[in-house]
Amino acid sequence: AQKITQTQPGMFVQEKEAVTLDCTYDTSDQSYGLFWYKQPSSGEMIFLIYQGSYDEQNATEGRYSLNFQKARKSANLVISASQLGDSAMYFCAMREANSGYSTLTFGKGTMLLVSP
Amino acid sequence: DAGVIQSPRHEVTEMGQEVTLRCKPISGHDYLFWYRQTMMRGLELLIYFNNNVPIDDSGMPEDRFSAKMPNASFSTLKIQPSEPRDSAVYFCASSYPGPSGANVLTFGAGSRLTVL
Repeated sequence: AQKITQTQPGMFVQEKEAVTLDCTYDTSDQSYGLFWYKQPSSGEMIFLIYQGSYDEQNATEGRYSLNFQKARKSANLVISASQLGDSAMYFCAMREANSGYSTLTFGKGTMLLVSP
Repeated sequence: DAGVIQSPRHEVTEMGQEVTLRCKPISGHDYLFWYRQTMMRGLELLIYFNNNVPIDDSGMPEDRFSAKMPNASFSTLKIQPSEPRDSAVYFCASSYPGPSGANVLTFGAGSRLTVL
């Protein structure tokens, strides 16, 4: 079974609108971390936001927030007020306690296109 | 800090040739990871090191691949002999331990390998 599932291969949004990118995960660990990375067309991987499994509040970083629903094992990324520069691939990833918090497992990604 | 530095950024080689990819992690980071990204398989962990010691190389596809970390500031990923199916973007990433597994991986810009 896949540990990270991103069901949306592509998403379209108009500039200034909000968009939610879905991510579900599978783990038997009680302690884990969830991450979102952005990969623009230039290819680099850029860290956006982190959520710990014991964090009671949803993480926020500027226009990015993580909608963490532990019981549903979902960690959706919400981008508010989309900008043209947000067009990129977005990857959800997880790190688990049983790997010693070392390895990061990635989903297949969602391509986001922001139109004017 | 200059971030994670990878070289070369692009490599085009012929089947059967040896390829060496290089990585300089962020100073002070004690974990180093090699990932491979392809359209078909997404981001795959190949191997990771902790304090220069290889911890898990189960992701290395076959014996043609080898990785070393002779010191804290340098790692290599070698493919010998290379094959067309090795064409991919190879990322190096480094991290340090953080609370609650919040080890943010910082990625290099990647090395795009094309094997003809």
